[in-house]
Amino acid sequence: DVKVTQSSRYLVKRTGEKVFLECVQDMDHENMFWYRQDPGLGLRLIYFSYDVKMKEKGDIPEGYSVSREKKERFSLILESASTNQTSMYLCASSFSHRYTEAFFGQGTRLTVV
Amino acid sequence: GQQLNQSPQSMFIQEGEDVSMNCTSSSIFNTWLWYKQEPGEGPVLLIALYKAGELTSNGRLTAQFGITRKDSFLNISASIPSDVGIYFCAGLTGANSKLTFGKGITLSVRP
Repeated sequence: DVKVTQSSRYLVKRTGEKVFLECVQDMDHENMFWYRQDPGLGLRLIYFSYDVKMKEKGDIPEGYSVSREKKERFSLILESASTNQTSMYLCASSFSHRYTEAFFGQGTRLTVV
Repeated sequence: GQQLNQSPQSMFIQEGEDVSMNCTSSSIFNTWLWYKQEPGEGPVLLIALYKAGELTSNGRLTAQFGITRKDSFLNISASIPSDVGIYFCAGLTGANSKLTFGKGITLSVRP
């Protein structure tokens, strides 16, 4: 079974803090993704990585950065957390074949106060 | 970014009823996926469709890849209370590996 694991289920951080969200997958997937999910807005892609040290901006990259130093690990960084970044964050991974499906982690509910 | 169209936003059904959801797009997709998300959890893949016209079942779930490649539907038969959750459709064009998602349909099942 594919396993995508996010380091925290719930986080509470203060405005202005630097926040790290970690994601690890155990299926040797080339692709990894970070999404945020907000009511009424669905899933929105923040960043995408198709290989180690490679990254591509998604639809809403502002206020975020990412790091992929190892194939199995993809980190999302909030440089200076703000209250409008309170959200559910979802990590996903997939093979790089053209028609492959993505598998998700359990999600991290981040609250910025 | 582009999104797939799913409506209505919410559906309420009685236990034992069948329910059908569809997902439409103005663009062609080469792969259609259906996910279910339970409260506080990440989406779980239910069914993957790879070929236009394909009809695939997974227990009480049946999904079809539309002939035009611009739509897909998911049917749940004989619903049970644990079917509650948000059902998302997603598409892949093959041009890259990024999924395009619908906004999801929240399903409620009354016992």
